[in-house]
Amino acid sequence: GAVVSQHPSRVICKSGTSVKIECRSLDFQATTMFWYRQFPKQSLMLMATSNEGSKATYEQGVEKDKFLINHASLTLSTLTVTSAHPEDSSFYICSAHRGGNIQYFGAGTRLSVL
Amino acid sequence: RKEVEQDPGPFNVPEGATVAFNCTYSNSASQSFFWYRQDCRKEPKLLMSVYSSGNEDGRFTAQLNRASQYISLLIRDSKLSDSATYLCVVNIGRYGGSQGNLIFGKGTKLSVKP
Repeated sequence: GAVVSQHPSRVICKSGTSVKIECRSLDFQATTMFWYRQFPKQSLMLMATSNEGSKATYEQGVEKDKFLINHASLTLSTLTVTSAHPEDSSFYICSAHRGGNIQYFGAGTRLSVL
Repeated sequence: RKEVEQDPGPFNVPEGATVAFNCTYSNSASQSFFWYRQDCRKEPKLLMSVYSSGNEDGRFTAQLNRASQYISLLIRDSKLSDSATYLCVVNIGRYGGSQGNLIFGKGTKLSVKP
């Protein structure tokens, strides 16, 4: 069964709206979760590392004020795409470690901004 | 030079064929290595970890050559269900210990035909 749950799986929104994506670890606690983005025919790129109880660590070139990350509990991290624009349309995936160095991925969220 | 480089393919092979994928990585400090499988419009799923001694899981064999910074995946007796994109993934351990972020290759597309 799923180890990491991600919701929603699909979002279509108008330009300028904000979109929140949730990532939950199932039956385990995740002090660290990762948010990735994948454009068509491109590799997954790490956007940020979400740390429970502290600020997220953003990769170079990722705007922290545009991609708000909140990791308020040991099983939930959220990514909010603020004022989304068509160029933000992408496949967003979260992941978490459940012991060892294996990362498990959520099912991903396909965002389309019109 | 890209951090993780793979031949994008596609590899079109008949059922029962043996196919090999190669991958090179640029960071000599990389700590752990994986092959993930990604089906169209889905999240990546771990296929197998890769060890210096080489490891096998059924029809799949993975090998790592640290000196050459080279990883391979061999699939024997290909099945239709093996059709997917295979991602070479490297953990550079940036965030300490084994929980570093993953660097993904763009993937190699495999299509197995009847």
